[in-house]
Amino acid sequence: EDKVVQSPLSLVVHEGDTVTLNCSYEVTNFRSLLWYKQEKKAPTFLFMLTSSGIEKKSGRLSSILDKKELFSILNITATQTGDSAIYLCAVEDNYGQNFVFGPGTRLSVLP
Amino acid sequence: ETGVTQTPRHLVMGMTNKKSLKCEQHLGHNAMYWYKQSAKKPLELMFVYSLEERVENNSVPSRFSPECPNSSHLFLHLHTLQPEDSALYLCASSQIQGAGLFGGYTFGSGTRLTVV
Repeated sequence: EDKVVQSPLSLVVHEGDTVTLNCSYEVTNFRSLLWYKQEKKAPTFLFMLTSSGIEKKSGRLSSILDKKELFSILNITATQTGDSAIYLCAVEDNYGQNFVFGPGTRLSVLP
Repeated sequence: ETGVTQTPRHLVMGMTNKKSLKCEQHLGHNAMYWYKQSAKKPLELMFVYSLEERVENNSVPSRFSPECPNSSHLFLHLHTLQPEDSALYLCASSQIQGAGLFGGYTFGSGTRLTVV
C-alpha cells in the first residue's frame, strides 16, 4: 500500500531559526513528489520534485529529493511568523491516478 | 481566490438532509478532484474526474455522489450523512490528470461541513 510519512508532525521554533521538514514515501511507480503549504484552508503549491539531487529553491525555501532512499526534505531558513502553517508532502504515481498525502508537519514560528 | 471557487464555505446539515457542494474553475483545467480533510488525518482523495469522466473512486461510501457536468464544474451530492463525515471538503483542479509536471494542483478554499 502506498504511503507517505512526514516528520516531525509538529514543530515550534523562533523567528530566525532554520527548520528541516522530512518526508519519506513508499509508492509504486513513483512519478513526482510535491510540497504544499496549508494555511487555514487551501494548500498552496510549493515545489514539485521528480529528479534526485536537484535542489529547488524559492526564496527562503528549498527542497531536494532522494529517490534512492525514498525521501525528501523541505528547508526553511530565517523563519518568519508567516511561515507558520501545515506543510504537506504528497507523492504521485506514474499513472497520475494515485496521489497520496502525508499527515503534514505543523510548523509554528514564534516571534 | 485561487482560481478554484467552492460554495458554500460553510454548511451545517442534519443526517436526513440532502445537500450539494459546488466547485467551479475557469483555469482551463481538464481534471478535477474532491478531497476530504478530517481533523488529525491526512488529506484523502475521494474522486477524480478527467475530461468529465470519473477515473477514480477511492472506496467512498455511496452517500457521497459526485457529478461533473462539464470541465469547469464539479459537484458533490450529499445524503444521509453521518456525524463522522464532518470535515473540510476540498476541490482541486489540474491541467491534466496527474499534474506534477505542470506545477501541481490548484485547490479551492474548501467547504467546512458539519453533520449534526
